[in-house]
Formats: sequence, C-alpha cells, structure tokens
Amino acid sequence: AQRVTQPEKLLSVFKGAPVELKCNYSYSGSPELFWYVQYSRQRLQLLLRHISRESIKGFTADLNKGETSFHLKKPFAQEEDSAMYYCALRDNFNKFYFGSGTKLNVKP
Amino acid sequence: DAMVIQNPRYQVTQFGKPVTLSCSQTLNHNVMYWYQQKSSQAPKLLFHYYDKDFNNEADTPDNFQSRRPNTSFCFLDIRSPGLGDAAMYLCATSRGTGYYEQYFGPGTRLTVT
Repeated sequence: AQRVTQPEKLLSVFKGAPVELKCNYSYSGSPELFWYVQYSRQRLQLLLRHISRESIKGFTADLNKGETSFHLKKPFAQEEDSAMYYCALRDNFNKFYFGSGTKLNVKP
Repeated sequence: DAMVIQNPRYQVTQFGKPVTLSCSQTLNHNVMYWYQQKSSQAPKLLFHYYDKDFNNEADTPDNFQSRRPNTSFCFLDIRSPGLGDAAMYLCATSRGTGYYEQYFGPGTRLTVT
C-alpha cells in the first residue's frame, strides 16, 4: 500500500509567491515525516523533519494527524528553491517510504 | 569531502550479466540503505543493514543481493539483470534507527542492454 502521496508532479510559481507542496500519508502507527530536496545535479538531502519543528530556508511543514498530511510551505518562493522535493515517512520498523516527488519551478 | 560515495556513477551491463554496485561512507554510520529509483517514481527501499544485520524488504526480488563486509562499504549485487532493473540506485546511510536523517550518495545509473 502506498504510504506517501504527493499529488503534484510539477508546481510552477512566480518568485515571491507563496508555495505549498502537498504530502499525504497513510500509516496507522506514529510516523516520522521528512522532506528531502534534490537540487539540480546534486544528491538528495534532508530539508526538514517534523519532530524538529524547524524552519529551513524559509520552509516549514506541519504534521496534521487528523488530515494525515505534512505539507511543505514557504511564504515567498525564491528562484533558488527550484528543485525536486520528496516527502518521506519512516515507520516503526525503520523503513522509509518516499513519495514520487514534486518538481518545484520558481519563475523569475 | 564526500561522505557517501557511489561507484561507478554510470554502469552499463548486458541482460543477464551479473553486476555489482558499490557504496562507501566516511561517516562511520551504523545503517546503510539501498534504494531503487525508476524514472518519475519514488525511491523504493530494497534493503538495509544495521551494522551486520541484514533487513530485506518483502518485495525485493531474489535477484538483488547485498553485502556489507565492514562499516564503510556496502555492495549491491544484481545476479541476472533484466531490462526492468534499469534504474538509478541510491545508497544512503544514517547514524542509527532513531530519529536520524539519511545521507545519500549521488547514485549509480544502471543501464541494461
């Protein structure tokens, strides 16, 4: 069963516009949620994790257990935010499940 | 100062010819993972090692094997590659099984001819 869903393959916004990348998950236990990012020609790297409640590069993500969502948000997109974004879930057995990714394109 | 290294970056093999992909790490992490990522799809976990303990995913084909001779190195062996095994293979490490991030290598793109 697919545990992580990212409904948008591509999201295009203009510089300075708000951006929200959607992520929904299905898991009956207590999941740990992450956002990973892959910039052009770079390796996949961690952006943020839900437990830290941190803001990285202006991005935040809130775990909504009622809606089983972990959407990634940024109030003002920058061109350097253009990248591939993956939502990931780790279950209680240390297994990771990734979504299929959303490509964010920030236009000047 | 690369922390997770994968060799080669590109690998071409023939249908049915065994191939080995290599991953090494300088982080001294306990856990090493192998993922398969096909075009426009999510990275899919194949298996992972916690130290020497091997954890295979239930749906990982028997055609895929792995070895971890020491902390630093982990290998992915594909015994008889099929055309459907063409993909990007990602290696990742993490310090442990707690709430630790994964560090990814650059990947090896496998082509099967």
